[in-house]
Amino acid sequence: DTAVSQTPKYLVTQMGNDKSIKCEQNLGHDTMYWYKQDSKKFLKIMFSYNNKELIINETVPNRFSPKSPDKAHLNLHINSLELGDSAVYFCASSQGQGASGYTFGSGTRLTVV
Amino acid sequence: AQSVAQPEDQVNVAEGNPLTVKCTYSVSGNPYLFWYVQYPNRGLQFLLKYITGDNLVKGSYGFEAEFNKSQTSFHLKKPSALVSDSALYFCAVRDGGRRALTFGSGTRLQVQP
Repeated sequence: DTAVSQTPKYLVTQMGNDKSIKCEQNLGHDTMYWYKQDSKKFLKIMFSYNNKELIINETVPNRFSPKSPDKAHLNLHINSLELGDSAVYFCASSQGQGASGYTFGSGTRLTVV
Repeated sequence: AQSVAQPEDQVNVAEGNPLTVKCTYSVSGNPYLFWYVQYPNRGLQFLLKYITGDNLVKGSYGFEAEFNKSQTSFHLKKPSALVSDSALYFCAVRDGGRRALTFGSGTRLQVQP
C-alpha cells in the first residue's frame, strides 16, 4: 500500500528517557513534516525536510532533533523526555508546492510518565 | 503570516439535515485550502482541497466546500448528515513560502440520530 507509515503507534516512557519515532513514505514525495497534536487537539508544525534539507524548524526545544537519511524517511529523536512532551505526533509528506495534497501518517501517541 | 479560524468548537446537527462547518483564512497570495477529518484515535484523512478553478469543490464521503475569495472563507458542507460523519474536522491553508500546512483549531461535528 502507498502510504505514510509511522512507528511505533504507541510509546509510553519515563521522564528523562530518550526515544525515537520513525516515519517512512513510499509516495515518492520530496517533502516530509512532523506535526504535534496537543491535548486540545491543536495541530502545529514542528519540522519540515525537503529532499533531506531542513526547511522548517519551529520554536521547539532543542531536545527534539529530526533526521532525514533520505527523502523517503524522516525520524524524530527526543532527548530527556518531559511530561509536557506527551502528545500525538504526526508525520506527513507532500510533493512540490503541495497542490496534490498532503498525506498524513496514523500518528504516534507518546505518553511520558 | 497565514492563519485559519474555525469559529465553532462544536456543531450539532440531526441526521439527514444539511451541515456546515465554517472556516475563514488569512494568507498572502493565492491560498491552497484543505479539509481533513480525524476520527477518534485515528490519523488525519483528506476530504477535499481548493487549489484553483471552480469555487465549489467536491470531495470524499459526499462533502463539498465553497471557496469565497471576498469573504476569505472555505466552509465545509454536506446536504444530508450521517451519524458516521461525527468526528473532528480541520481546515488548513498552505503557507506557500514554507509549504507546510497551518491548521485551524478544529470543529467537532456531532450528528444525532
